[in-house]
Amino acid sequence: DSGVTQTPKHLITATGQRVTLRCSPRSGDLSVYWYQQSLDQGLQFLIQYYNGEERAKGNILERFSAQQFPDLHSELNLSSLELGDSALYFCASSAGGAYNEQFFGPGTRLTVL
Amino acid sequence: AQSVAQPEDQVNVAEGNPLTVKCTYSVSGNPYLFWYVQYPNRGLQFLLKYITGDNLVKGSYGFEAEFNKSQTSFHLKKPSALVSDSALYFCAVRDPIAGNNRKLIWGLGTSLAVNP
Repeated sequence: DSGVTQTPKHLITATGQRVTLRCSPRSGDLSVYWYQQSLDQGLQFLIQYYNGEERAKGNILERFSAQQFPDLHSELNLSSLELGDSALYFCASSAGGAYNEQFFGPGTRLTVL
Repeated sequence: AQSVAQPEDQVNVAEGNPLTVKCTYSVSGNPYLFWYVQYPNRGLQFLLKYITGDNLVKGSYGFEAEFNKSQTSFHLKKPSALVSDSALYFCAVRDPIAGNNRKLIWGLGTSLAVNP
């Protein structure tokens, strides 16, 4: 158990809808990262927050947004969903230094029908 | 530009034989290097990292990796493979002096299959 929790485990929705994925980092970790993993694209870094502030951005679509709250939990919002958004979404956390490893949650499997 | 390559999509090895999963990188400074493993239907787990010091790094589950600066490589090794090592392995690199662009760069992953 990494100490990172993600909810929900599974999400099935329709095209055009909006969903929110939630992540609670390990106790004491200030950084949260979001990743998308699909069969054809591999593991894609989306965005990182550090203590409530956006720290780094990856291949995140404009339809997607995220935030980190004062209690350090984070939410990833996906809107105007398309079939191609179906994927596993992982959250990871770390202490924040460049040399610190990341601890991954179990993921949320999103299916867009 | 920072990049990391895992040249093999899949590696097959017999149980009990040594295994190697290859990783090469390109960064402008001295790299921070990481290996992660993903078992089926699970999140990634940290295996080991190289930050500085001894080029041979030991990690979880009997894995080790050797940092080779001249060859810009960080290959993952294990002396004797187990069937339970079958998983997807990811190499990642960060350039610590890349300023605001210090995000972790991930390889595409190598699927390891250990045959009984």
